[in-house]
Amino acid sequence: EAGVVQSPRYKIIEKKQPVAFWCNPISGHNTLYWYRQNLGQGPELLIRYENEEAVDDSQLPKDRFSAERLKGVDSTLKIQPAELGDSAVYLCASSRRFTGVAGANVLTFGAGSRLTVL
Amino acid sequence: KQEVTQIPAALSVPEGENLVLNCSFTDSAIYNLQWFRQDPGKGLTSLLLIQSSQREQTSGRLNASLDKSSGRSTLYIAASQPGDSATYLCAVAGANNLFFGTGTRLTVIP
Repeated sequence: EAGVVQSPRYKIIEKKQPVAFWCNPISGHNTLYWYRQNLGQGPELLIRYENEEAVDDSQLPKDRFSAERLKGVDSTLKIQPAELGDSAVYLCASSRRFTGVAGANVLTFGAGSRLTVL
Repeated sequence: KQEVTQIPAALSVPEGENLVLNCSFTDSAIYNLQWFRQDPGKGLTSLLLIQSSQREQTSGRLNASLDKSSGRSTLYIAASQPGDSATYLCAVAGANNLFFGTGTRLTVIP
């Protein structure tokens, strides 16, 4: 089966510009995650979707970040305007909802989108 | 909040050596623990997943152990190869999230 697909793989923008990342999860996976990974750090959760509903967005900086998952499949993460500190790798992951507890389900990660803000 | 620590932060070994990577976590109420590999500029590749009820998992030259009561996991790599060079991340699954360590950067010297 195809894995989690992300685009673009790399993006270089100037500060204050907008940027968007796209994720196509594994077919049949109900849960979708966006993580941010700063250089030398582990990934940190930004937002988690169950189908089209954002069930955990507590770590999403809502002043400049937004996300959507139309029809409960593909998702887009947007930053507007971008700041220097937003330079990071943005990882998308998905999982099939085997149980009611998200932590019990196994995540599959995409290759990530590396953002550089100049 | 779950805190995950990985030691050492970096490790260099000559080819052929066996090695151990360590992961510790503060909250033992986990659903599973997963070891990932990350190559430079790439995403995460899952290596091994240990459910909370298990003690270890093996895949080829890799063996991961889990001691939930002490909050520790180890990843054992046998007969290391240059192709094993990468960053290894452990992640523990809570009810709604994966908590990652900062990783161990492994370099295997030919």
